[in-house]
Amino acid sequence: EADIYQTPRYLVIGTGKKITLECSQTMGHDKMYWYQQDPGMELHLIHYSYGVNSTEKGDLSSESTVSRIRTEHFPLTLESARPSHTSQYLCASSELATSHRYEQYFGPGTRLTVT
Amino acid sequence: AQSVTQLDSHVSVSEGTPVLLRCNYSSSYSPSLFWYVQHPNKGLQLLLKYTSAATLVKGINGFEAEFKKSETSFHLTKPSAHMSDAAEYFCVVSDRGYQKVTFGTGTKLQVIP
Repeated sequence: EADIYQTPRYLVIGTGKKITLECSQTMGHDKMYWYQQDPGMELHLIHYSYGVNSTEKGDLSSESTVSRIRTEHFPLTLESARPSHTSQYLCASSELATSHRYEQYFGPGTRLTVT
Repeated sequence: AQSVTQLDSHVSVSEGTPVLLRCNYSSSYSPSLFWYVQHPNKGLQLLLKYTSAATLVKGINGFEAEFKKSETSFHLTKPSAHMSDAAEYFCVVSDRGYQKVTFGTGTKLQVIP
């Protein structure tokens, strides 16, 4: 079944730890995105990718990094987690811009708490 | 530049009454517009989208939205609210190339039994 997956769903971690949030999609989409959403706030785009070996920074500055070695996989890494990184992280994917079906499909999100 | 404004952060309706969630946008080109819904502890789900075809767009779960260029609005409506509609709704504007996507701040819909 075509879908987009995020793991873990919930993560509580101490300050200074390195973490990787996983995102995978089975829809063959070229574009993938990472959003950060604080409680009660709008989504902010922090990273996106047009395809393999393509990564771009989004509107909101983030200390996280991303990689796109495979089409279906778009992990996000924090080298040293801090309490200010506590947030919900949403991954999304879409077809290329040349397609008319370019709405984004979202994963369930990862709720990160850094203590 | 583009922006989207959701005029109400919270809307409360009684079950069985109409729902109206308001969204205004600004864009320097002909945009695409979307409504997404987010239930607690779930990801976002696309409700409907406008991409320059019919101005009245029908979506899932009985929702629809009308694109009004003269009013720069894309309000979301439903004739009769159901308890399961309680969620947060996001209005989204993007350029046609989908290079730039802007989310609204969201509207929390409460449905009272």
